[in-house]
Amino acid sequence: AQSVTQLDSQVPVFEEAPVELRCNYSSSVSVYLFWYVQYPNQGLQLLLKYLSGSTLVKGINGFEAEFNKSQTSFHLRKPSVHISDTAEYFCAVRPPLIGQNFVFGPGTRLSVLP
Amino acid sequence: EAGVAQSPRYKIIEKRQSVAFWCNPISGHATLYWYQQILGQGPKLLIQFQNNGVVDDSQLPKDRFSAERLKGVDSTLKIQPAKLEDSAVYLCASSSTDRVNEQFFGPGTRLTVL
Repeated sequence: AQSVTQLDSQVPVFEEAPVELRCNYSSSVSVYLFWYVQYPNQGLQLLLKYLSGSTLVKGINGFEAEFNKSQTSFHLRKPSVHISDTAEYFCAVRPPLIGQNFVFGPGTRLSVLP
Repeated sequence: EAGVAQSPRYKIIEKRQSVAFWCNPISGHATLYWYQQILGQGPKLLIQFQNNGVVDDSQLPKDRFSAERLKGVDSTLKIQPAKLEDSAVYLCASSSTDRVNEQFFGPGTRLTVL
């Protein structure tokens, strides 16, 4: 079975400051890794994903994440945040096996302050 | 391209009543998912359909929850009778067969059970 931990339930940050949202996972098999964003009253939207290859993955809206296999982490970063980045961010994993589904973390609420 | 549609967006019922949610996935997407997202938690998969067949319903409380996708397109999720702990956002998502790592989510239905 897989599990996902997001250590920070809430992260307040000032506009134009850098931010890192942490994600750690536990799995007995290799997994694909994902970050989703959820704006208020909307569904989830895929930010980026790691399937294979380079461990540094770039996504939409200037976000990037780095896969660290030894630390079982997939932290999300943005060098300069905007007010519009205020949202809930979910880390998720999925084993690359037919029939295996996504397991989501509890989420991190990012609040960008003016 | 139209996104995943869900209705209603909001529903308030009393415990022991029944309720139904509707989802219309992206055209051509064979795989459809229903998730339950309790406040402060990540989405939890309830059921996955491949066309009109069930692939995974291991986390569906079958004594009160049911779902169907009769023609392999839109789907209905029903709760009967509802309990207080069913208060949550119910998310529908879909993906194409050849791109299972890219789920597209609807806006969700927020259910409040009083």
